[in-house]
Amino acid sequence: GAGVSQSPSNKVTEKGKDVELRCDPISGHTALYWYRQSLGQGLEFLIYFQGNSAPDKSGLPSDRFSAERTGGSVSTLTIQRTQQEDSAVYLCASSLEGSYNEQFFGPGTRLTVL
Amino acid sequence: GDSVTQMEGPVTLSEEAFLTINCTYTATGYPSLFWYVQYPGEGLQLLLKATKADDKGSNKGFEATYRKETTSFHLEKGSVQVSDSAVYFCALSDPLSNTGNQFYFGTGTSLTVIP
Repeated sequence: GAGVSQSPSNKVTEKGKDVELRCDPISGHTALYWYRQSLGQGLEFLIYFQGNSAPDKSGLPSDRFSAERTGGSVSTLTIQRTQQEDSAVYLCASSLEGSYNEQFFGPGTRLTVL
Repeated sequence: GDSVTQMEGPVTLSEEAFLTINCTYTATGYPSLFWYVQYPGEGLQLLLKATKADDKGSNKGFEATYRKETTSFHLEKGSVQVSDSAVYFCALSDPLSNTGNQFYFGTGTSLTVIP
């Protein structure tokens, strides 16, 4: 079956522009996660969705970052007024509900802010 | 708070050498522990996991044992191959300490195996 997909795979934008990153989770996975992977760094947790609600937004680095999820499926991560420090690979993962379930990762979106 | 500390790389080994990548954790509850691998140009994929103390996760010749007494989950392989060249991430999930199944990841260890 299909895995987690993300689009676009690469995005180059100018400083100050807004960008939208999309994640399609595995069908039936109720939990969805966004992470950021900066060069030479580990994975930084951004936000978690259970269904369409986000009980944990603690990882969003600033109010320029927002995310939504509709229909318990597709999620969009929006970054407004992008800055150069936003350049990173943004990873999406999904899992079945449950505390010990594996997270399945998408291939990521590489964002470059010029 | 919860965290994972992972051996820093990069690590370079000759083919058939023994591999150990150290991972220790801090958690308030009873976490599950994971090793993820990221091959060049690919996304993260689960390598192995253990959900309780003394469990051993294993896959593709890799093993890791959940040691509660030393709060460790070291990754080992007896004989590495060139195809094992990748970045390895240790991670934990501690559902008693947060509102979701957030994973806490280490910084990753890059492994290069040379023929």
